[in-house]
Amino acid sequence: EAAVTQSPRSKVAVTGGKVTLSCHQTNNHDYMYWYRQDTGHGLRLIHYSYVADSTEKGDIPDGYKASRPSQENFSLILELASLSQTAVYFCASSDARTGGYEQYFGPGTRLTVL
Amino acid sequence: GDSVTQKQGQVTLSEDDFLFINCTYSTTTYPTLFWYVQYPGQGPQLLLKVTTANNKGISRGFEATYDKGTTSFHLQKASVQESDSAVYFCALTQTSSGQKLVFGQGTILKVYL
Repeated sequence: EAAVTQSPRSKVAVTGGKVTLSCHQTNNHDYMYWYRQDTGHGLRLIHYSYVADSTEKGDIPDGYKASRPSQENFSLILELASLSQTAVYFCASSDARTGGYEQYFGPGTRLTVL
Repeated sequence: GDSVTQKQGQVTLSEDDFLFINCTYSTTTYPTLFWYVQYPGQGPQLLLKVTTANNKGISRGFEATYDKGTTSFHLQKASVQESDSAVYFCALTQTSSGQKLVFGQGTILKVYL
C-alpha cells in the first residue's frame, strides 16, 4: 500500500502570508494530487501532477500554486493566504500504470488562516 | 460534467442496524466507482471499488452494486458496529481524465451502542 506523508500536520498562518504544504510519497506513483476538504463540500481537487516538473490545474486552483520537483514530492503553495483558505488539505497519489485509479491519501494538514 | 450526489448528510444508527447510504452519479460513460471511508483525524481510505466488469464490490462487510440503469451505487451493510462511525464518500473516475476522481459530499455515519 502506498505511503503518503504530509507536513506540517497543522499550521496557523496570518492573512497575506505565504504558506507551503509538503507531501511525500514512497511508492513510486506517477500521479499526485492536492485536495481541500470543507464541511459540506467533500473533497475538491486543487492541483495535480502526473510527472515531475509539471503540474495541472484542478477544479479550484485560484489562490494556489503547486510544485512537483521530483516524483516523490509535491508541494502546495499559498502565496497570499486568505481567511477563505482555512481548511483541511489532503495529498494523494495514484499509479496510472496499473490502470486501477485508486488514490491513496495522506493524513491531512489542518490550516487555519487568521 | 461528471457529478456524484450523496443526499444524506448524516445517518444515525444503533449497533446491529442495517446501513444504507445513497449515492447517485451522472456521467456520459461507464466509470469505475469507489467508496472511501474517512475516520476521525485521518485521510480517506479506499473501502471498495467496482468496475463495469465486476458490478459488485464487497469489503469488510460492506457491499455496493453498480446499477447502470438507475446510475446508483448505494453502500450497504447488514449490521453496523460503533467502529464503523466515520464519513463515507462515493466517487467516480472522471470522463475527461481517467486518473482524476469526482467525490460526493460525504455522509457522516454515527453508530451508537
